[in-house]
Amino acid sequence: DTGVSQDPRHKITKRGQNVTFRCDPISEHNRLYWYRQTLGQGPEFLTYFQNEAQLEKSRLLSDRFSAERPKGSFSTLEIQRTEQGDSAMYLCASSLETSRERKLFFGSGTQLSVL
Amino acid sequence: AQKITQTQPGMFVQEKEAVTLDCTYDTSDQSYGLFWYKQPSSGEMIFLIYQGSYDEQNATEGRYSLNFQKARKSANLVISASQLGDSAMYFCAMRAGVFGNEKLTFGTGTRLTIIP
Repeated sequence: DTGVSQDPRHKITKRGQNVTFRCDPISEHNRLYWYRQTLGQGPEFLTYFQNEAQLEKSRLLSDRFSAERPKGSFSTLEIQRTEQGDSAMYLCASSLETSRERKLFFGSGTQLSVL
Repeated sequence: AQKITQTQPGMFVQEKEAVTLDCTYDTSDQSYGLFWYKQPSSGEMIFLIYQGSYDEQNATEGRYSLNFQKARKSANLVISASQLGDSAMYFCAMRAGVFGNEKLTFGTGTRLTIIP
């Protein structure tokens, strides 16, 4: 069990640029989630996948955000035309559908700073 | 809609003492799950403990226990014999509704500082 890994750990970009983050879940987990966490707040749900299907998207996920999980393994989250309000920690998590708690295992996150 | 309320922004506790972190929740669903996560300065959210709404016993995991009071809609985390490594942010979270609703709703967290 190597845990959930996210890349990069930190990203600094200029307003208007596009950024892409990658998440590699725990290998046997079929569910993958993206959350966003701003300073002083708890994580907020963005979207989740079961295998390669994106099953739910939050209203927080504007048209500038897109997430994919093409082969049901790793996932990418892209933000187009970044804005300063996008600055946050982006957390990825995975879970096993058949476990009782269906608890989420989180990665260490990608800290995005938009200048 | 689900809501989690954590009313303690910060707490300072002497090492080796027990500490209780408060969490109240609001949902109209009969079936739900309650979670506590720890977030150290490294940023990773670490699962601590889970309580299902139909579980008759309060959950325990090592030094962590969950004081579940369903009628009061509270799910307080109790850490016994606190250690310096317990210093971190602690988040209460809830998943509510039927199987298939996988979204976790988090509170705003409590920053716990253990004093040597």
